[in-house]
Amino acid sequence: SQTIHQWPATLVQPVGSPLSLECTVEGTSNPNLYWYRQAAGRGLQLLFYSVGIGQISSEVPQNLSASRPQDRQFILSSKKLLLSDSGFYLCAWSVRRRSNYGYTFGSGTRLTVV
Amino acid sequence: ILNVEQSPQSLHVQEGDSTNFTCSFPSSNFYALHWYRWETAKSPEALFVMTLNGDEKKKGRISATLNTKEGYSYLYIKGSQPEDSATYLCLHGSSNTGKLIFGQGTTLQVKP
Repeated sequence: SQTIHQWPATLVQPVGSPLSLECTVEGTSNPNLYWYRQAAGRGLQLLFYSVGIGQISSEVPQNLSASRPQDRQFILSSKKLLLSDSGFYLCAWSVRRRSNYGYTFGSGTRLTVV
Repeated sequence: ILNVEQSPQSLHVQEGDSTNFTCSFPSSNFYALHWYRWETAKSPEALFVMTLNGDEKKKGRISATLNTKEGYSYLYIKGSQPEDSATYLCLHGSSNTGKLIFGQGTTLQVKP
C-alpha cells in the first residue's frame, strides 16, 4: 500500500534562518507531488507541484523553493525565512493523470517563524 | 462554469439541523469528483470519490450526489453535530488534463 511521510511535524525557526521540509512517498512510482500551505485564517494554497524528477512548477511567487531529487522525494526549502512563511504545510501525492484517485496528504508540518 | 466553485462560503447551523452545500464544476471532460473534510492544521480527510453521473455515496450521516451533465455535486449532512464543524472541500478531476482542482471550500460551524 502507498504511504506518504512528511517531517518534521512542528518547527520553530528564527527569521532569516534556512528551511528544509521533506516528503517521501512509498509504494508507488512516478507520482505527482505537491506542496500546500495554510496560512493563518486562510484556505489551502498550492505552492508547488511536480510531475517528475527535476520538474517543478511554482503556483505563486514567494520566498520558498522546491526540489525533487528522486522520484518519490519532494523537498520544500527556503534560504531565509520570513515571518509570513509561518503556517501549516502539507505535502500530497496523486497518481499521474488518474483523477479518480484524488490526493493523499501527509500529516503536515506546523512552521512558526519567530 | 470554468472553475470549481463551492457555495456557500460559510455556514452556521444549530446542532441537530440538516444542511447541504454545493460544488459546481466544468461539465465537459469530467473524470472524478472528490469530497474532503478538512480541519484547520490537520491533514484533509477523504470522504467520497464519485465518477459516474447519478452517483450517490453515503458515510454515516454524510452523503453526496453527483450530476456530471449539469456540473454539480451536493454534500448533505443529516443531524449536524459539533464534531462536523470543519471545512468541506470538493476536488474536480479533468479527463483531458488529469489535473485536480480544489474548490475554495465551505466552512461549517455547528453550534451546540
